[in-house]
Parts: sequence; C-alpha cells; structure tokens
Amino acid sequence: KAGVTQTPRYLIKTRGQQVTLSCSPISGHRSVSWYQQTPGQGLQFLFEYFSETQRNKGNFPGRFSGRQFSNSRSEMNVSTLELGDSALYLCASSFSGRAYEQYFGPGTRLTVT
Amino acid sequence: AQKVTQAQTEISVVEKEDVTLDCVYETRDTTYYLFWYKQPPSGELVFLIRRNSFDEQNEISGRYSWNFQKSTSSFNFTITASQVVDSAVYFCALSASGTYKYIFGTGTRLKVLA
Repeated sequence: KAGVTQTPRYLIKTRGQQVTLSCSPISGHRSVSWYQQTPGQGLQFLFEYFSETQRNKGNFPGRFSGRQFSNSRSEMNVSTLELGDSALYLCASSFSGRAYEQYFGPGTRLTVT
Repeated sequence: AQKVTQAQTEISVVEKEDVTLDCVYETRDTTYYLFWYKQPPSGELVFLIRRNSFDEQNEISGRYSWNFQKSTSSFNFTITASQVVDSAVYFCALSASGTYKYIFGTGTRLKVLA
C-alpha cells in the first residue's frame, strides 16, 4: 500500500507570495490533517478534513486555509507569506480520525525569504 | 483543556542501556486515545503504538514497551537494550473523544551513542 505523499518536498518563496501544498492520503483513508513543525513551536495542528468537510481547526490566522477533494486528496494554502511561516508542513492521514493512528507524509519544507 | 507534556527535552544513553521516555497528559474526557511516534533524522514521523483509555494493559513489542497508568495520567515508553538506530525524536500524542485533532507533546530527542 502506498504511503502518504506530499508535493512539493521543498519550496522557497518570497514574503508576500502565496503557496499551495498538496497531500495524497493512503488509499481508503478519509481523514487528512495538516501540521506545522518548527524548532521553536514543535508540532502544531492546523486543520483536519474528513469527507471534504473541515472538522477542526487550530489556532492559526486566516491566511492558512485548506480543502479536501472527493478523492480525499487535500491541499493547504498560505497567502501573504511571512518569514515566520518557514517550517516543515506535515500531512497525516487516518481511516477516520480521532481514534485511529495517523500516518504521516515526508513533509514539505517551506522556506520564506 | 488537553495537554501533553514531555518534560525530557533530550536524553543521551550508551548503546545497550535501557531508557524510559516520559509522557504526561491532561484531558477531562473519559474516552481518549494515546499515541507514540518516532521521528528519525530523515524527518518522517513513524507511528509506534495506539492505546485507548479503557485499556490499561502494558504492551511489549520487541525491545519496546509501554506503561499506561490512568492514575498518574502517564503513558511512558521504554526502550530496552537501546541501539544507535533508536536515535530519533519521540513524540507522545493525545486525541480526545470530543475533538478531531491530535495534541502532540514537544518531543524527546534520544541520542544513543555507540
């Protein structure tokens, strides 16, 4: 079974630009969560989607948004990038969320200059 | 409020030593789930174990064992006879029944020296 895939793996953007990251979950998994990982803040929850609906959202500004498609693939978008958005963005999929373990992708390393 | 505390920021041991990673959690829910993940230098988090709040049995898997104690709200992870390949950051996480998000601890960096 293929694992969680994330594209692109690395990205360099300039302040003020926007970026879209993509995540393809494990086949059969309908829950997709996004996390931001930084050395200072650790793993912080961004949002979780299930069957195209956002079920929960972390404490991030509205510049961070996401969506999920009917095939469970998910995208997250960050608009008006700031230097502090530089981080590893991790996507995780699970069968239905909450009670089930999550399987993580390799992440997208975003650098904002 | 839900919270996961991993008080040990970094631990160094010599190969073949046993090491215990501590995890203390807070939640008011009676139904919740606890997890441990490993993040090796390559960066990808690897799922290790899931435990639900109704199952306090300890679990052993090879050199790994987990001790879940509701009385102290702890879910500790022990590696027996550590190996260099165990070097990684280990995260404890909590998922409670009323939410669809996972709360991660800050992680413990384990260094196993040859």
